[in-house]
Formats: sequence, C-alpha cells, structure tokens
Amino acid sequence: AQSVTQPDIHITVSEGASLELRCNYSYGATPYLFWYVQSPGQGLQLLLKYFSGDTLVQGIKGFEAEFKRSQSSFNLRKPSVHWSDAAEYFCAVAAIKAAGNKLTFGGGTRVLVKP
Amino acid sequence: KAGVTQTPRYLIKTRGQQVTLSCSPISGHRSVSWYQQTPGQGLQFLFEYFSETQRNKGNFPGRFSGRQFSNSRSEMNVSTLELGDSALYLCASSLNRLDEQFFGPGTRLTVL
Repeated sequence: AQSVTQPDIHITVSEGASLELRCNYSYGATPYLFWYVQSPGQGLQLLLKYFSGDTLVQGIKGFEAEFKRSQSSFNLRKPSVHWSDAAEYFCAVAAIKAAGNKLTFGGGTRVLVKP
Repeated sequence: KAGVTQTPRYLIKTRGQQVTLSCSPISGHRSVSWYQQTPGQGLQFLFEYFSETQRNKGNFPGRFSGRQFSNSRSEMNVSTLELGDSALYLCASSLNRLDEQFFGPGTRLTVL
C-alpha cells in the first residue's frame, strides 16, 4: 500500500524568504503525485501535479516541485513567500492503476509567515 | 464553471442519529470521491463513485455509506453517529477516474 510522509509538521518562514516543504512517498510503481493547499476553513486547492515526463513541475501561485525517484521525494518549493501563503500544505499520492482515483495524503505541513 | 458544492456546510447532530451529506460535482465530472479530515487521523479516503457504482472503499465501518446518482451528484450517509465522527467531510470530483481531483469546501459535522 502507498504512503506519504511529510516530516515537518510546522514551518515558520519570513516573508520574502524561500520555502521548501518535504514529501516522501512509498509506492511500488510510478506514482501520481500532488500538492494541495488548504486555508483555514476551506477545502483543498491543487497547486501542482506530477504524472510523468519532466521531473520539475510548475504550479500555481509561483510554486514548483521536483520529483526524485531515487529519493522517493516530491518536495515543494517557492522562491519568495508572501503572507498569503500561510496555510496547510498536503502532499498526496494516487495509485491510479491499482486503486482507482484514491488519494493517500501526508499529515500536512502548516506554514506560518512572519512579517 | 461552478466548482464542487457541498451541502450543508455545517451540521450538528447528537450521538445515535444519522446524517446525509450532499455533493454536486463540477459539471461534466463523473467521478466523485469522499474524504474525512480530522486533527488526529488527517485526511482519509472514504469511497469513490463512478457511473453510479462504488469503485473503491477506504477502511471505514459499514455505518459509512454513499451513493451516486445518474447526474453524478453524490450523497454520503453516516448512521448511528459517534463522537469520533466529528470531522470535516470533503468531496472531490474529477472528469474521469484517472484525472486530478477538485475539492469542495467541505461539510463540518459536529457530533454531540
């Protein structure tokens, strides 16, 4: 069965600084990987996805993520954080072929942005 | 195009009652999935419906059930509510089973 680990529960970053959120997955085949963001009281918004091809994926709001098969990682990055980026971020894996459209989520990383 | 809508947004029930939550997917989307989000367990997959058939089910007791109608709208039902069922229930839709999922705002269920 697939699993996702987000090692950092909380991260505090200054506005304008760079941000990197870690995600490690466990899955036997090629995974479909996603990053979602959730603001307080809201649903999940898709930031970016990786299905195949170029391992550096660009998403919305200036985010990007890099798929590294050798490290089973899919880390999310942003060069310069804005106060509006304060939210909770979830990495997810879908074992499409084996289990249909079921997403397995990591525990989430809460990002706090200092002015 | 309207997003995924969920009704009601907030719900308060007491133990032993049952509840029905509704989800309207994005127009044209045929796959609907449900997730439960709690502080302790995080986001957990409940079930997936496609073409009115349950295609996948998570590790939840039989008190949790769902269905999908011919217009792709979906409902989930929880019978004999327990305090631990208090959670944010999220619905997600996708065009087909292999596509990215778009989430609704969720229904916040509180069981007293």
